[in-house]
Amino acid sequence: DTEVTQTPKHLVMGMTNKKSLKCEQHMGHRAMYWYKQKAKKPPELMFVYSYEKLSINESVPSRFSPECPNSSLLNLHLHALQPEDSALYLCASSQAGYQETQYFGPGTRLLVL
Amino acid sequence: ELKVEQNPLFLSMQEGKNYTIYCNYSTTSDRLYWYRQDPGKSLESLFVLLSNGAVKQEGRLMASLDTKARLSTLHITAAVHDLSATYFCAVASYYGGATNKLIFGTGTLLAVQP
Repeated sequence: DTEVTQTPKHLVMGMTNKKSLKCEQHMGHRAMYWYKQKAKKPPELMFVYSYEKLSINESVPSRFSPECPNSSLLNLHLHALQPEDSALYLCASSQAGYQETQYFGPGTRLLVL
Repeated sequence: ELKVEQNPLFLSMQEGKNYTIYCNYSTTSDRLYWYRQDPGKSLESLFVLLSNGAVKQEGRLMASLDTKARLSTLHITAAVHDLSATYFCAVASYYGGATNKLIFGTGTLLAVQP
């Protein structure tokens, strides 16, 4: 199984809502990532988990809260988002190690109204 | 700080023609990745180039890496419409331990016209 899955595929939320994005992989990867991608731009790293511990936080606002409940799951909790947070949110996973290839999920397209 | 630049940003080409996308990066790295992204879709891994002089080919795409020049190229041979997509190169930036951060190039939007 070489697949990273993400749910939901699309999400519309108001600025006062609380929602969560979910990512799952069963490749035995011990590193998982959240990226944000705006239209016509490259993906930008938000968070990295390595062995279920947060190892990189790219100065992301606290309205984004990551969680890694186990080695296969990665969540991104959203609260009080702004319209400018509307984007494609991509999850990726890789073997834990320097320069291992990252495999991306299909993404969640988020619209904040 | 590692920076990755691609050119051109947009490439319109006719079917059957050849062209090259260039990827320059600012600091030493011995592994470079190429990804493809279709509109509204996720990123698909195309190539991983592991060392200086590495060359990989898949169908009409061929990627190469020159670590001394900090340059990778993605060559398209006899383009077909199915190759229309955005292509990203990416370089890993080491954070220590088992962690790496992928720095993406600006992307090249390829449009193959019939």
